[in-house]
Amino acid sequence: GAVVSQHPSWVICKSGTSVKIECRSLDFQATTMFWYRQFPKQSLMLMATSNEGSKATYEQGVEKDKFLINHASLTLSTLTVTSAHPEDSSFYICSASSPRVLSGNTIYFGEGSWLTVV
Amino acid sequence: AQKITQTQPGMFVQEKEAVTLDCTYDTSDPSYGLFWYKQPSSGEMIFLIYQGSYDQQNATEGRYSLNFQKARKSANLVISASQLGDSAMYFCAMSYSGAGSYQLTFGKGTKLSVIP
Repeated sequence: GAVVSQHPSWVICKSGTSVKIECRSLDFQATTMFWYRQFPKQSLMLMATSNEGSKATYEQGVEKDKFLINHASLTLSTLTVTSAHPEDSSFYICSASSPRVLSGNTIYFGEGSWLTVV
Repeated sequence: AQKITQTQPGMFVQEKEAVTLDCTYDTSDPSYGLFWYKQPSSGEMIFLIYQGSYDQQNATEGRYSLNFQKARKSANLVISASQLGDSAMYFCAMSYSGAGSYQLTFGKGTKLSVIP
């Protein structure tokens, strides 16, 4: 079946630095990718919707300049956390969809990335 | 606005028994999808089952079945013959069309613990 790969799985960075997380669709073209954030023992919260070739659409309360999203191709979207701070430490997970009839098989999740800012 | 409610923060079930995880939803869209995902401690989101708003029959996938009651706006997950490996967080989610594609709104989740 379709696979979405996310990298890195774990990352530790120093406060003030930037870190990039990649989300790749391995065997299908994902016109849209979604980025979610999950704090410990909480649910997934949508951060932004990434459409190939256009600017991302951010959810209310998400800082566009802090969480840079680039969707340069139909198989790759990146999330860059700029000037990271300890409060940005979280689990980030992407999902991808293809423009077919909506079903459980058309929304695929990456493995997620654990970010720790020290 | 779309909303998913999972009222059970935690559930316990004896191994080999069945368990029902509750999920209610609210939406004004006539077309939507309902999903259940399993999230083990590793963090990955494992798709379990899907129900479309226009599907007449309840969805089933192996030991998982979705009890879809449209009038009550509920989409409960039933896990039969629980196994120790079923211990995890379970999230109910609803899809809706936004920003040109389908986004998911998640409930707060239910932590299921299977007792030997």
